[in-house]
Amino acid sequence: SQQGEEDPQALSIQEGENATMNCSYKTSINNLQWYRQNSGRGLVHLILIRSNEREKHSGRLRVTLDTSKKSSSLLITASRAADTASYFCATASFSGGYNKLIFGAGTRLAVHP
Amino acid sequence: NAGVTQTPKFQVLKTGQSMTLQCAQDMNHNSMYWYRQDPGMGLRLIYYSASEGTTDKGEVPNGYNVSRLNKREFSLRLESAAPSQTSVYFCASSDQGPSNQPQHFGDGTRLSIL
Repeated sequence: SQQGEEDPQALSIQEGENATMNCSYKTSINNLQWYRQNSGRGLVHLILIRSNEREKHSGRLRVTLDTSKKSSSLLITASRAADTASYFCATASFSGGYNKLIFGAGTRLAVHP
Repeated sequence: NAGVTQTPKFQVLKTGQSMTLQCAQDMNHNSMYWYRQDPGMGLRLIYYSASEGTTDKGEVPNGYNVSRLNKREFSLRLESAAPSQTSVYFCASSDQGPSNQPQHFGDGTRLSIL
């Protein structure tokens, strides 16, 4: 069952513009993670935000988390053609002795030169 | 830095054939996972191994078996392949312990079953 749901499903922008992707989830979490997937490759971890954090930055990435609304957003500033990829949110909980991640269906981002 | 290595990268099978997907990680991680990714969907967990010697079912385990051969290696076996198992399969690993740990993924095995 998918917990995270990304919005929009697809996003097309010009280089230099900002890209915002949203993620909503249903149950309580320990943390929320964002991953990027380039075409034909595996997922690469971008950023992790804990349930007691509200905002986190990493380079051109800014992630917010609102646990009261059960939602998160990923902002990529000053986008580049190399940012073209699919972006997935994943909600994390630790149970049964392992770090369980539930992924959303992803947002496909296209950045045009 | 190899990270997580999956073999093979591509495979075509006929219905009813069997095969094993291999995965190895060199990061000394305790936990390993197998996911499948289908078009328009997020990754779904097939099986996981919280630590060497243990394996458990995930969300979609039917038609699959796994073996945690040692701390480095975690294989996925299809005993009698079906067209519904056509998918891209990803192996991942993470450190056990606190839940605030990211997972590291291989580049996937693209499997087609005719």
